[in-house]
Amino acid sequence: QKEVEQNSGPLSVPEGAIASLNCTYSDRGSQSFFWYRQYSGKSPELIMSIYSNGDKEDGRFTAQLNKASQYVSLLIRDSQPSDSATYLCAVRPNAGGTSYGKLTFGQGTILTVHP
Amino acid sequence: DTAVSQTPKYLVTQMGNDKSIKCEQNLGHDTMYWYKQDSKKFLKIMFSYNNKELIINETVPNRFSPKSPDKAHLNLHINSLELGDSAVYFCASKAPPETQYFGPGTRLLVL
Repeated sequence: QKEVEQNSGPLSVPEGAIASLNCTYSDRGSQSFFWYRQYSGKSPELIMSIYSNGDKEDGRFTAQLNKASQYVSLLIRDSQPSDSATYLCAVRPNAGGTSYGKLTFGQGTILTVHP
Repeated sequence: DTAVSQTPKYLVTQMGNDKSIKCEQNLGHDTMYWYKQDSKKFLKIMFSYNNKELIINETVPNRFSPKSPDKAHLNLHINSLELGDSAVYFCASKAPPETQYFGPGTRLLVL
């Protein structure tokens, strides 16, 4: 089992729709969860972080975390063509406080928003 | 004002050569990382330094050797380059508590 697994996609949604990106992780003790966006040929950019169960909203983005199910998702409301990118889920494993911020990434989901 | 910078942006070289990639951050962060992103976009950590001290060393061939002359710089030297080393290498630095800022990447092609 991969440590962090995402739907590889690609995911294609029409402009204005909700895009739903999913991620599962294997380390039950993980505490910190992140979504990065990576445009083609560019570097990853942090768009959301979430640490506790429930929803966290930031503009058009909502991150959802369910630690019991070891599941984290990202919803993008009112999707725009400029949201077309690869979305990377990242998890900081629980290593007894010695993980030093080490992140384990999923393989990414390619999102295309078409006009 | 680039926060995390890397040089070079592109590197094309022959198998067996030795090459270095440099990274600098002007954010005042203590912790820096090297990641490798393969052709399938899978991003994997290689090394991390905290204030010039190596703290994460993943299962990476010993042909790869990181060096941190000071906490603002983290360089990566690769000996005896192989075809499988072709990838994009990203440097990152970490702001407390957990936000990582990535550099623009170095695209390495080994022929």
